[in-house]
Amino acid sequence: QVQLVESGGDLVQPGGSLRLSCSASGFAFTDYYMTWIRQAPGKGLEWISYITSSGASTYYADSVKGRFTISRDNAKKSLYLQMNSLTVDDTAVYYCARNGGNSGPQDHWGQGTLVTVSS
Amino acid sequence: QPVLTQSPSASASLGASVKLTCTLNSGHSGYEIAWLHQQPEKGPRYLMRLHNDGSYKKGDGIPDRFSGSSSGAERHLTISSLQSEDEGDYYCQTWGTGIGVFGGGTKLTVL
Repeated sequence: QVQLVESGGDLVQPGGSLRLSCSASGFAFTDYYMTWIRQAPGKGLEWISYITSSGASTYYADSVKGRFTISRDNAKKSLYLQMNSLTVDDTAVYYCARNGGNSGPQDHWGQGTLVTVSS
Repeated sequence: QPVLTQSPSASASLGASVKLTCTLNSGHSGYEIAWLHQQPEKGPRYLMRLHNDGSYKKGDGIPDRFSGSSSGAERHLTISSLQSEDEGDYYCQTWGTGIGVFGGGTKLTVL
């Protein structure tokens, strides 16, 4: 069955950096676009980025553009999110998800990893 | 840019039915959407993909109690024979090249 397991969440100071990983199994990873979504404490879901199956194209929400970088390693069946210049507003649970179609929807989700930005 | 609007809360009795609504903004009534369910302290679960003509395709293992329908700019999720595990937040989402949009979510309470 499809499994997505995120890791790398941590407590980081404002202005710091963090790299999240998502390990995929149970499906042909190279065939699917992948997405990162986040959820601030007590809030709703926010789409932040997706990457095409080859990794050739990436897209970002305005809230993270220029600070976050999505990437993937198809040989390792892994998705990544490099987060720089973090602010307290980036505090959230970060989910990786598989896209059922190209740009959406997200038909399988991981359990999430918590990123806390605080001094 | 599409915008999705959901009522913040809904409630219904155990064993009853409930219909949740997600409304697309003007100029975007043709968009298809997806419905997701999030139980407390868990990641979201994909329920279905719902087209503007009312046809839908459910995700793996989603019970027959869940169905979808469309009317103009409104996209509906109907849950029949409500069970306690149906409580939680329900989100609609839509997408396009380079964008992803979520509604604000509806918190469903099963009485």
